[in-house]
Amino acid sequence: AQSVSQHNHHVILSEAASLELGCNYSYGGTVNLFWYVQYPGQHLQLLLKYFSGDPLVKGIKGFEAEFIKSKFSFNLRKPSVQWSDTAEYFCAVNVRTGNQFYFGTGTSLTVIP
Amino acid sequence: DTEVTQTPKHLVMGMTNKKSLKCEQHMGHRAMYWYKQKAKKPPELMFVYSYEKLSINESVPSRFSPECPNSSLLNLHLHALQPEDSALYLCASSQGILTKNTGELFFGEGSRLTVL
Repeated sequence: AQSVSQHNHHVILSEAASLELGCNYSYGGTVNLFWYVQYPGQHLQLLLKYFSGDPLVKGIKGFEAEFIKSKFSFNLRKPSVQWSDTAEYFCAVNVRTGNQFYFGTGTSLTVIP
Repeated sequence: DTEVTQTPKHLVMGMTNKKSLKCEQHMGHRAMYWYKQKAKKPPELMFVYSYEKLSINESVPSRFSPECPNSSLLNLHLHALQPEDSALYLCASSQGILTKNTGELFFGEGSRLTVL
């Protein structure tokens, strides 16, 4: 069965610290990869996505993620976090021609001013 | 702002009530989804409609009944719910072009349901 693992459940950082959140998936076929963010009291928003091409993708608000096919990973990074990045972050995987999206368990990020 | 519109934003209902959640998108997407989300948890897939036909039902209890009247609308009919069904119900859509690329999910803001 397909699965998505996020190893960091709770992360607390000070402003200006660097961020890396891990995401691993188990599926051998062609996949689309996503990071979604949910700010407190708000709906899920797409942070970035990977469909094909350059494995280093850039998203909104200075976030980027790198797809490493050999490691089945799609880790999220940001060089310098801000207090406003406090949110829940969800990694998601979708089989390219299918309608099922699998979400990781999420990472709660708290950034301390 | 999201291009997927959900109503109502908040709903309180008793266990004997019948209510409906509504979702609308005008992006021409052919796949629409219902997810359930508890606090601090990932969205759990409930139903997927593809080209207006129910394609996935994740073993959801029959007290939840989905309906897709047309390609832009998705309803979730609620009847005889339990307090543990209280959650945020999210609607989403995607391009849903199964022969090419499903695309990404676009989420609505959700309907927060409380069952008393």
